[in-house]
Amino acid sequence: QKEVEQNSGPLSVPEGAIASLNCTYSDRGSQSFFWYRQYSGKSPELIMFIYSNGDKEDGRFTAQLNKASQYVSLLIRDSQPSDSATYLCAVIDTNAGKSTFGDGTTLTVKP
Amino acid sequence: NAGVMQNPRHLVRRRGQEARLRCSPMKGHSHVYWYRQLPEEGLKFMVYLQKENIIDESGMPKERFSAEFPKEGPSILRIQQVVRGDSAAYFCASSPTVPGITYEQYFGPGTRLTVT
Repeated sequence: QKEVEQNSGPLSVPEGAIASLNCTYSDRGSQSFFWYRQYSGKSPELIMFIYSNGDKEDGRFTAQLNKASQYVSLLIRDSQPSDSATYLCAVIDTNAGKSTFGDGTTLTVKP
Repeated sequence: NAGVMQNPRHLVRRRGQEARLRCSPMKGHSHVYWYRQLPEEGLKFMVYLQKENIIDESGMPKERFSAEFPKEGPSILRIQQVVRGDSAAYFCASSPTVPGITYEQYFGPGTRLTVT
């Protein structure tokens, strides 16, 4: 079992819809959770981080964390074609500094 | 406010040569991470360093790869006797000096290594 698992995708949604990206992790010691966006041929760009159970909203993005279920998700509202990219979930054990990335979910937003 | 800098952006080496990749963290950051990304694959953690100290190298191949982050100057990822399988994008990320809770990492543009 991978330490961080994401929906393999690809995920395709129409413009204006809500895109839902999911991530599960196996290490209960993980304390910080991050979502990165990576365009093809580019480096990962930090979108959001969350470390408390519940929801965290930033513009069109909402991160949700459920530590009991070891589950973190990213919702993108009013999806735009410019949101088309690969989204990486990252999990960090802040005590050790160890970071683990999922393999990513590729999102395509169709006009 | 300069971000994480990496150079060179593209590096071509013949099999058996050495590759040196450099990373300068964001100002005020003293934690550096190196990742490797093979084509169409995810990011794989290689090593986590603080100045003059390797914290976690569990992702580093046992042979040919080494990393350092000296007191002065950039962090260096060194690959000796490169093979074709080393061809990949190598990303460096840095995080704040006082990580607190979040340990957010900011990535550089990457070095694309091609071994011919």
